[in-house]
Amino acid sequence: GENVEQHPSTLSVQEGDSAVIKCTYSDSASNYFPWYKQELGKGPQLIIDIRSNVGEKKDQRIAVTLNKTAKHFSLHITETQPEDSAVYFCAASQMDSSYKLIFGSGTRLLVRP
Amino acid sequence: GAVVSQHPSRVICKSGTSVKIECRSLDFQATTMFWYRQFPKQSLMLMATSNEGSKATYEQGVEKDKFLINHASLTLSTLTVTSAHPEDSSFYICSAWVPWYNEQFFGPGTRLTVL
Repeated sequence: GENVEQHPSTLSVQEGDSAVIKCTYSDSASNYFPWYKQELGKGPQLIIDIRSNVGEKKDQRIAVTLNKTAKHFSLHITETQPEDSAVYFCAASQMDSSYKLIFGSGTRLLVRP
Repeated sequence: GAVVSQHPSRVICKSGTSVKIECRSLDFQATTMFWYRQFPKQSLMLMATSNEGSKATYEQGVEKDKFLINHASLTLSTLTVTSAHPEDSSFYICSAWVPWYNEQFFGPGTRLTVL
């Protein structure tokens, strides 16, 4: 089955700096790669996603890149703000079959004011 | 976006009792819902896929007789933790697949504490 690895486990950046979180996946059949932000005691919220037919997607300060050959994808947050502090999870899924999401281990991001 | 609710948000129970957690899609019909378990400072682990009108599909290692899932309507899936023990204490989160958004929407989670 699918296995998703995520790095780093913790990331501390100064406000205004950029943050990058990386994930690798094992199943070449995966074709959907979402990123979620989870605040303490809450369910995860989708912040951006990418499908296997594109290599990059951007939404304001957030961008995701996908390298299908290497089976890895990354989340980029620019101009970080203290409210970006949270736990971020990547996930992988096969959208045309099971729709199951397999999550990475998570990255705790701390943005220092 | 689509809204998924869970009830209760928190529950404390005694060891040996059963607890039911509800997951509702508020403004759409969900043929497929998912149940996840999350231990403190860990990731979400998929427990089972719940399909309306049929038996749930459990992930390897998840005891189907302990975690009973019922998806009797297009807006409600329930997870019953039977004979709960302290090691079942966790954050349980459901999600629903929404075809026209082509993504999953997550509920706010239920914190279960078994004494």
